[in-house]
Amino acid sequence: DTGVSQDPRHKITKRGQNVTFRCDPISEHNRLYWYRQTLGQGPEFLTYFQNEAQLEKSRLLSDRFSAERPKGSFSTLEIQRTEQGDSAMYLCASSLALLGRGYINEQYFGPGTRLTVT
Amino acid sequence: AQRVTQPEKLLSVFKGAPVELKCNYSYSGSPELFWYVQYSRQRLQLLLRHISRESIKGFTADLNKGETSFHLKKPFAQEEDSAMYYCALLYSSASKIIFGSGTRLSIRP
Repeated sequence: DTGVSQDPRHKITKRGQNVTFRCDPISEHNRLYWYRQTLGQGPEFLTYFQNEAQLEKSRLLSDRFSAERPKGSFSTLEIQRTEQGDSAMYLCASSLALLGRGYINEQYFGPGTRLTVT
Repeated sequence: AQRVTQPEKLLSVFKGAPVELKCNYSYSGSPELFWYVQYSRQRLQLLLRHISRESIKGFTADLNKGETSFHLKKPFAQEEDSAMYYCALLYSSASKIIFGSGTRLSIRP
């Protein structure tokens, strides 16, 4: 499977613990996005990277959240001091943007990491 | 503010009946709109985008700027169409997507 992969698929943690999720995008994609989805809602944008540069962050991304994409390939999303309100599905997506040609293709989504904070 | 509204949380129709999933958007610029679908136990995937003006799996969607709508339609529903459907708006230099809250489509045999 050459699609977007995420690890782990499920994570149960106790309130106050730190968690880290990983996303591996489609290899030739230069853009990587993180979304959060809670029950009964559509995905909500958190942040995105163009190569290794984090270009935009949502107000949803509190200072407990940090995302990295150190080599412009895989990305990690860390949540520090988790709270019960952090329980959600965390989705990663990737796309190819060729800005010089004004071309941005669709976003391809991973299977998500379901976080449960007890 | 940019917003995507899907007024129906659940839509249930009989097999062979027409389907229309409603989507309205709020956006001051020139919108690029999509429909994403999530089948049971599968990941979110793109169904169609308005700039392509194509029919996918029998579904079509027309952008109506006057009514700020992008409703998804199919003339004859099939059981395999049962899924969660999300309308989405791409904006901000084509970076982030704003999703609606989704409509669960259930096709009854």
